[in-house]
Amino acid sequence: DTAVSQTPKYLVTQMGNDKSIKCEQNLGHDTMYWYKQDSKKFLKIMFSYNNKELIINETVPNRFSPKSPDKAHLNLHINSLELGDSAVYFCASSQALLAGTDTQYFGPGTRLTVL
Amino acid sequence: EDQVTQSPEALRLQEGESSSLNCSYTVSGLRGLFWYRQDPGKGPEFLFTLYSAGEEKEKERLKATLTKKESFLHITAPKPEDSATYLCAVQPAGANNLFFGTGTRLTVIP
Repeated sequence: DTAVSQTPKYLVTQMGNDKSIKCEQNLGHDTMYWYKQDSKKFLKIMFSYNNKELIINETVPNRFSPKSPDKAHLNLHINSLELGDSAVYFCASSQALLAGTDTQYFGPGTRLTVL
Repeated sequence: EDQVTQSPEALRLQEGESSSLNCSYTVSGLRGLFWYRQDPGKGPEFLFTLYSAGEEKEKERLKATLTKKESFLHITAPKPEDSATYLCAVQPAGANNLFFGTGTRLTVIP
């Protein structure tokens, strides 16, 4: 009964390749997020979707494209991977945009290594 | 600019030795301050949300407090299983994303 799940857990690939990371939540939440955690363990928001609509798009290269087929899923597609994309990517979800109780629940992370 | 600073960066405690972790923040209106625990190779696990200065929350050996400029996570009589990285995050007013600090890596020695 995993609340927020991500696949794959590990992803090793060559520079220039295109890859996708999938995220699913079974909490019935309306809002989903992608965060990037760098080698120094700093977590930074990348995107936020509310009910399949893009809400936040921080300064992220346009090689990164989120896609939300429905409100339970938010996938991250990365084109032309670069060495600097190596990091751990976390998906998270919260109940609703600007709701009173909007604790974010995180997935287990996907460790991306670009060689 | 919204900022979160956590100290110390790392903390080693003997089992049973109480201490506090600090989270200082600068934000244009605070909607909420969150504490998370992160174990190696796992995602952040939610601990507490604090909304206003003076608020306190407790869970087992952990107690979180909030002032207008900082939050403390007090750990009373820690056990080795409390070893983890503790992350603090703020949510600015009118926003739904979180700004995280870099965390405090806590090691509790038996």
